[in-house]
Amino acid sequence: AAGVIQSPRHLIKEKRETATLKCYPIPRHDTVYWYQQGPGQDPQFLISFYEKMQSDKGSIPDRFSAQQFSDYHSELNMSSLELGDSALYFCASSLSVAGGDTQYFGPGTRLTVL
Amino acid sequence: QQQVKQSPQSLIVQKGGISIINCAYENTAFDYFPWYQQFPGKGPALLIAIRPDVSEKKEGRFTISFNKSAKQFSLHIMDSQPGDSATYFCAALPGTNAGKSTFGDGTTLTVKP
Repeated sequence: AAGVIQSPRHLIKEKRETATLKCYPIPRHDTVYWYQQGPGQDPQFLISFYEKMQSDKGSIPDRFSAQQFSDYHSELNMSSLELGDSALYFCASSLSVAGGDTQYFGPGTRLTVL
Repeated sequence: QQQVKQSPQSLIVQKGGISIINCAYENTAFDYFPWYQQFPGKGPALLIAIRPDVSEKKEGRFTISFNKSAKQFSLHIMDSQPGDSATYFCAALPGTNAGKSTFGDGTTLTVKP
């Protein structure tokens, strides 16, 4: 079965650079979530999109922005990168139904900021 | 304020033993409770999930027990195997469309051969 695809899998950037992470949800899934996971920590919710509209916002820095496109893929844009942005970034997708969603996670993008 | 509390932080179990991980939540709006298994450098993989209208759900060696009145739920791994060694996260979601997952802190399980 098709899973969530994320690219790139690894990314190394310098401080103050920009980065773009891409997420391709499971086919027919209409909702995308972005999470940030630091070393030894649980995933922290950043932002989500449902039918191309932002549906919820968590602890996403103002330096980050995201959008969902007409084909439902999503991109997380990160500017003015800081050392503390080094983390695993996960995208998850779901087929939104009332009463709670099953979210399927991608393999993640490991971002290292030097 | 942590909305989902998970314990223990780490757990060591002998092969064939039972692993038990507990979670508690505060927000009564939570309506869906999944458990994820995560290996180092990999994404969380859904193991099993439960809704508050049932008290127990079993899938293979994995069982969720749910106590709605106490706002607690737990994961039991029967006949634990070394391949089960991973970090386990409980999570909770509200009963609305496109709800975000709130995760517990995670439990690192080590199953000794």
